[in-house]
Amino acid sequence: AQSVTQLDSQVPVFEEAPVELRCNYSSSVSVYLFWYVQYPNQGLQLLLKYLSGSTLVKGINGFEAEFNKSQTSFHLRKPSVHISDTAEYFCAVSVYGNKLVFGAGTILRVKS
Amino acid sequence: DAGVIQSPRHEVTEMGQEVTLRCKPISGHDYLFWYRQTMMRGLELLIYFNNNVPIDDSGMPEDRFSAKMPNASFSTLKIQPSEPRDSAVYFCASSFWDREIHEQFFGPGTRLTVL
Repeated sequence: AQSVTQLDSQVPVFEEAPVELRCNYSSSVSVYLFWYVQYPNQGLQLLLKYLSGSTLVKGINGFEAEFNKSQTSFHLRKPSVHISDTAEYFCAVSVYGNKLVFGAGTILRVKS
Repeated sequence: DAGVIQSPRHEVTEMGQEVTLRCKPISGHDYLFWYRQTMMRGLELLIYFNNNVPIDDSGMPEDRFSAKMPNASFSTLKIQPSEPRDSAVYFCASSFWDREIHEQFFGPGTRLTVL
């Protein structure tokens, strides 16, 4: 069975600083990887996804993630965060293309 | 497109009452998912449908929970009888199949409080 571990429950960071949100997964087969963002009192929306090809994936709002098969990781990065990036971020894995398994989430708190 | 529509947005009920949550997926989508989000357990997949047929209901916590999808534009999640531990935010999501992995589009959620 697939599982996802998000290593940090909360990440505080100052505005305009870089940030990395960590995600590790476990699976015995090839996987598809996703990052979703949830703003307060809203549903989740897709930030980016890795299906195949280039291991560096660019998403919306200046976020990017790098797939590392040997380390089974899919960390999310942004070089300079804004107050509006304050939200909860979920890493997810899929094997069969439709059923997602989510991590516990990481709350990103951007401080001015 | 209006996106995935869920109703009600908030529901407060008393223990033992029946609760029905509703979802209208995005037109043309052939997959529909029901999730539950709590602080303790995070985001859990309860059940999902493909072309209105339930495919995997292994996440449904117990017999008090049931879900239906009578047609491509409507689904319900029912809890009968409700218990305080059912308090959570329930999300509906939909997607369509193409040659690659598809994106799930989430509704705004229904916040359920069982007193």
